[in-house]
Amino acid sequence: KAGVTQTPRYLIKTRGQQVTLSCSPISGHRSVSWYQQTPGQGLQFLFEYFSETQRNKGNFPGRFSGRQFSNSRSEMNVSTLELGDSALYLCASRVQGAGETQYFGPGTRLLVL
Amino acid sequence: GESVGLHLPTLSVQEGDNSIINCAYSNSASDYFIWYKQESGKGPQFIIDIRSNMDKRQGQRVTVLLNKTVKHLSLQIAATQPGDSAVYFCAETLLTGGFKTIFGAGTRLFVKA
Repeated sequence: KAGVTQTPRYLIKTRGQQVTLSCSPISGHRSVSWYQQTPGQGLQFLFEYFSETQRNKGNFPGRFSGRQFSNSRSEMNVSTLELGDSALYLCASRVQGAGETQYFGPGTRLLVL
Repeated sequence: GESVGLHLPTLSVQEGDNSIINCAYSNSASDYFIWYKQESGKGPQFIIDIRSNMDKRQGQRVTVLLNKTVKHLSLQIAATQPGDSAVYFCAETLLTGGFKTIFGAGTRLFVKA
């Protein structure tokens, strides 16, 4: 089975721009979570989607949003980028009701200049 | 965003010795605790988990101990190998109202050959 894939792997943007990151979960996994990882703040939970619905959200501003499609693929969007948004964005998928193990993708490294 | 801690402690051990990595968690209502390993350039990889109604769980070369009285979690790695060198994260998960995982700051493990 293929693992979690994320595209793009690397991205450079400038302040004020917006960005969309994509995540394809493991086949059969319906829950997708997003995390932001920075050296200063560590791994922080952004949101979780299940069956196209956002079920949980971390403490991030409204500039961070996401969605999930009927095939469980997920996207996250960051609008009006700030320098502090530079981070590794990780996506993780799991099978609802079959253990809580999350499987992480390799991440998208975003640099905001 | 939510996170635990800003500093990354480091543990250095000799190959073949046992390693113990400690973690303090924040929410006594957490249902589930997980240890992840993250190597450079990769997403976190699941190592072992433990439910809140247990106090010990063993895997292959790894043991997780949970002390709910003091909200403490530890990961013991037996016969540490150079390939164990990585950053280790503890995480607590709440299953109520969706799925939400809060990660600890992480501990960097160096294994000296």
